[in-house]
Amino acid sequence: DQQVKQNSPSLSVQEGRISILNCDYTNSMFDYFLWYKKYPAEGPTFLISISSIKDKNEDGRFTVFLNKSAKHLSLHIVPSQPGDSAVYFCAASANYGGSQGNLIFGKGTKLSVKP
Amino acid sequence: EPEVTQTPSHQVTQMGQEVILRCVPISNHLYFYWYRQILGQKVEFLVSFYNNEISEKSEIFDDQFSVERPDGSNFTLKIRSTKLEDSAMYFCASKGVGNQPQHFGDGTRLSIL
Repeated sequence: DQQVKQNSPSLSVQEGRISILNCDYTNSMFDYFLWYKKYPAEGPTFLISISSIKDKNEDGRFTVFLNKSAKHLSLHIVPSQPGDSAVYFCAASANYGGSQGNLIFGKGTKLSVKP
Repeated sequence: EPEVTQTPSHQVTQMGQEVILRCVPISNHLYFYWYRQILGQKVEFLVSFYNNEISEKSEIFDDQFSVERPDGSNFTLKIRSTKLEDSAMYFCASKGVGNQPQHFGDGTRLSIL
């Protein structure tokens, strides 16, 4: 049951260039989407989120784009830095009914930024 | 910046034994969660907790699992009789009201022998 899919297990980018991480979802009830970054031996760290009423949210070097018709979101990191090297998880939740918004995660994309 | 703390960082337990994983959520948060990640797999939702009761639970969260908020600060996950397949990283998370992000602890690595 893959409601949230990250089809690229890994991505390698040169320092200073743009990193684009992609995520697809199947459940049309999802209305809140998040990106988390995870280093080894640490928990997921919240990066940026977007509500389904928006199509773009920007925070410094990080921008998330949401295309509801395609059920697709992407995370852009510009410019990429070596410290951005981590596993990035896409997550989604549905705040319908009595749900308290438990997160459904993708499998993650390991980003490597080369100096 | 306030953070979610989890103890212990690593727990090794014999199969069939009970284990309690502990979490201290961020102090003004009202919603609490447990997730787990088996090695090489996705992070999976286990249970959510609000207003001193379980809000939602997944199929994984069977009768062997229970959660408790014994006081105003701790949130615990108990596995009554551990199985080999319970070996995983267990993450606690908490969030505030509304469309706020969940904040995660660094996890407890549970190893069942």
